[in-house]
Amino acid sequence: KQEVTQIPAALSVPEGENLVLNCSFTDSAIYNLQWFRQDPGKGLTSLLLIQSSQREQTSGRLNASLDKSSGRSTLYIAASQPGDSATYLCAVTRRRETSGSRLTFGEGTQLTVNP
Amino acid sequence: DGGITQSPKYLFRKEGQNVTLSCEQNLNHDAMYWYRQDPGQGLRLIYYSQIVNDFQKGDIAEGYSVSREKKESFPLTVTSAQKNPTAFYLCASSIARSGTSGITDTQYFGPGTRLTVL
Repeated sequence: KQEVTQIPAALSVPEGENLVLNCSFTDSAIYNLQWFRQDPGKGLTSLLLIQSSQREQTSGRLNASLDKSSGRSTLYIAASQPGDSATYLCAVTRRRETSGSRLTFGEGTQLTVNP
Repeated sequence: DGGITQSPKYLFRKEGQNVTLSCEQNLNHDAMYWYRQDPGQGLRLIYYSQIVNDFQKGDIAEGYSVSREKKESFPLTVTSAQKNPTAFYLCASSIARSGTSGITDTQYFGPGTRLTVL
């Protein structure tokens, strides 16, 4: 059974700092990995999706890497801002369906960026 | 405006009642999903549907039921058999499409419904 773990559970940093969020998964036979952002009481917003054949994806100040063989992914946030404060969730797709995909989520990292 | 809507935003249920949560999307997506989120935890899959008139159980389907009569709609019923229904419920949809970098399957989420049992 696939298990996804995120470390740390919570992180507080001063504005401007570069930071790394970690995600690990137990079964390396994944189809893809996604990073999501969740604001309090809201739904999820997809940030980055990495296919199993890729090693990284970048969007603005965000960079996500994937090492499938070791079962790890990192989300790097450069020059953090108070608006980055949210919970960040990673999720892996266990196998390819005919249409759509089944995700297994980690418990999330709650990030606070202090002005 | 394309997107996913969920209603109501807040829902209160008495013991022994069935309640239905609405999820509608106008993204023309084939696949739809229901997740449950408990405080400080990730999301767990309840049910998912890949096409109209077809759906499969997820990891925690007991005490829930769904239907998929239209492509745009995937309502979730929380039955009285669900012993601990208080949670945040999220609906999502996705479409598999081929691009230059291969097949992508990003899931798009609704704003959620917070269900509380009184």
